[in-house]
Amino acid sequence: SQQGEEDPQALSIQEGENATMNCSYKTSINNLQWYRQNSGRGLVHLILIRSNEREKHSGRLRVTLDTSKKSSSLLITASRAADTASYFCATEGDSGYSTLTFGKGTMLLVSP
Amino acid sequence: NAGVTQTPKFQVLKTGQSMTLQCAQDMNHEYMSWYRQDPGMGLRLIHYSVGAGITDQGEVPNGYNVSRSTTEDFPLRLLSAAPSQTSVYFCASSRQGGNYGYTFGSGTRLTVV
Repeated sequence: SQQGEEDPQALSIQEGENATMNCSYKTSINNLQWYRQNSGRGLVHLILIRSNEREKHSGRLRVTLDTSKKSSSLLITASRAADTASYFCATEGDSGYSTLTFGKGTMLLVSP
Repeated sequence: NAGVTQTPKFQVLKTGQSMTLQCAQDMNHEYMSWYRQDPGMGLRLIHYSVGAGITDQGEVPNGYNVSRSTTEDFPLRLLSAAPSQTSVYFCASSRQGGNYGYTFGSGTRLTVV
C-alpha cells in the first residue's frame, strides 16, 4: 500500500514564485526522501532528511520533517520553468532493509 | 559512470509471452529494487535485493521473478505476460546501510496486448 500521500496532486505557478508540496506518511521511518521525475524519464534523487532532523536545505530546496505529525514539506524557492516535473516523497522504513515506499506524487507546472 | 542501465527501453508483448527486463549498475551498490509505475498510482515495489544471492518480495510480486547472481545485475522476469502488467518499470540501486538516496534507471515501457 502507498505510504506517502502528497498534497496537492497538481500545482501551477509562475516563474519566480515559490512552490510548496506536502507529504504525509503512516508508519515510523528511518528517513524521508524527495525525488523529481521529468515526463517520461527516470526519478532523480533531490534530498534526504533523516528521522532525527527537522529541516534541511539544498540550493533552492528546503525540506522539513515533523515526525510527530508524520508529515514533510518540500519548498522550491524562485521556481523556474525547468522545475516543471512530478515530485514524489518516499519513506524508508526502520525495519533494517532499505526499501522505499512512494507516494503518488505532485505534478508541478511552472509557467514562464 | 553509467549509473543504472535498463534494457530494453520499450517492449510490446503478447499475452502469455515471457521476457526478461535487464538492469545493471556500475556503482557497486548492494541494494537493488524493481518498481512499476502506473498512472495515478505512484511507484510500487515489485522485488528487491540486499546483496548477491538475496532477494525478497515487495508489494506487488505476483507474476514476476528475480535473481541476483552478481552485485551488478538484477534482472526481472515476467513469467506469462498479462495486460495488467502493462506499465513502466524502473530499476533502482542504493548503497548499503540505509540513509542513502536511490539511483534510478531510465525505465522500460512495457505494453502487453
